[in-house]
Amino acid sequence: QVQLIDSGGGVVQPGKSLRLSCAASGFAFSSYSMHWVRQAPGKGLEWVAVISYDGGNRYYADSVKGRFTISRDNSKNTLYLQMNSLRADDTAVYYCAKDHSSSPEKWGRGTLVIVSS
Amino acid sequence: DVVMTQSPLSLPVTLGQPASISCRSSQSLAYKDGNTYLSWFQQRPGQSPRRLIYEVSKRDSGVPDRFSGSGSGTDFTLKISRVEAEDVGIYYCMQGTHCPPWTFGQGTRVEFK
Repeated sequence: QVQLIDSGGGVVQPGKSLRLSCAASGFAFSSYSMHWVRQAPGKGLEWVAVISYDGGNRYYADSVKGRFTISRDNSKNTLYLQMNSLRADDTAVYYCAKDHSSSPEKWGRGTLVIVSS
Repeated sequence: DVVMTQSPLSLPVTLGQPASISCRSSQSLAYKDGNTYLSWFQQRPGQSPRRLIYEVSKRDSGVPDRFSGSGSGTDFTLKISRVEAEDVGIYYCMQGTHCPPWTFGQGTRVEFK
């Protein structure tokens, strides 16, 4: 069965960097686009970024463009989100998700990022 | 960007009774390939979101058939035919037609009266 294990979250100071990882199993990882979606405490879902199956296309929400980079290593079945210049409003649970029909079909458990001094 | 508007934002329900959530998009979600990329997600308390419905009305594997989706263009509905205790949570619609960005509705909280 599809399994997505998000990791890498933690407490980080404003302006610093953090890299999230998502280990995928149970499906042909290299054949699917992948998303990152986040949820601030007590708030709704916000799409963050997507990467195509081969990494050739990447798109970002305006709120993270220029600061976050999505990438993947298909040899390791792993998705990444490099987050730079972090701000307090980046505080959220970050979920990786497998795409199907232009929609996040399967979701990881999420990893919590807290940006605070 | 396409704005997704859900109503109501809070839905008190009764066990065994039907329930319905509306989702409206700021522009038509019909895509040139003939599909409409509108999905519904359920988020139970303390859990990750789970997709229930994609392409307006297609149920994901393992989703009970009491959940159904309908609609077209800019107006969509998620219906629960008979609410069960495990259906409590927050429900989101999301569009994947005019992307990037993918956009979610604000969420509808379903709770028992």
